[in-house]
Amino acid sequence: SQQGEEDPQALSIQEGENATMNCSYKTSINNLQWYRQNSGRGLVHLILIRSNEREKHSGRLRVTLDTSKKSSSLLITASRAADTASYFCATDHTGANSKLTFGKGITLSVRP
Amino acid sequence: DAGVIQSPRHEVTEMGQEVTLRCKLISGHNSLFWYRQTMMRGLELLIYFNNNVPIDDSGMPEDRFSAKMPNASFSTLKIQPSEPRDSAVYFCASAETGNHNEQFFGPGTRLTVL
Repeated sequence: SQQGEEDPQALSIQEGENATMNCSYKTSINNLQWYRQNSGRGLVHLILIRSNEREKHSGRLRVTLDTSKKSSSLLITASRAADTASYFCATDHTGANSKLTFGKGITLSVRP
Repeated sequence: DAGVIQSPRHEVTEMGQEVTLRCKLISGHNSLFWYRQTMMRGLELLIYFNNNVPIDDSGMPEDRFSAKMPNASFSTLKIQPSEPRDSAVYFCASAETGNHNEQFFGPGTRLTVL
């Protein structure tokens, strides 16, 4: 079964607003990663947070990790129409031998 | 670097035909992953290799599916015989083991089996 579960499944916001997406997982991890997929394209790595980190920033992206709750959130600030895409969390589980477990994804629509 | 290269980008075939999908890894990467993506089932890991050795093929749907890595930079995914339910987008991704397992995805092959 897929370990990473994102919510919401779909999110629609106005350009300029912030978008918050959540991910929960079940077993211990080495790190958690967020990927973006534009329509018709492959997934692209956005940001990685290690299990001993609590927060990480990259440009307009902010990722938090709460290992006690086994959850992560991805915040996109000041969203743009170009942020419209599907977003996936992927977990690198302890002992998984380099395999990542992807969630089902969140569809983000940013209205101009 | 050109990134992960997949071919063909689109494939339309008839039920019962053999389909071969190809993937070239990023130079220096030693892990290779094949995924299938559909609206109904999302992104599914089919099989992955480390250093040319298949590590986990539990996601391969049936014996009709097979994957090989004849060398360190190239892989094929074969479906024989193909069925309409195999229609999906197939992605390969490569990674450098030890580099936090960040995966680099190819553009995908959109397979349609009529």
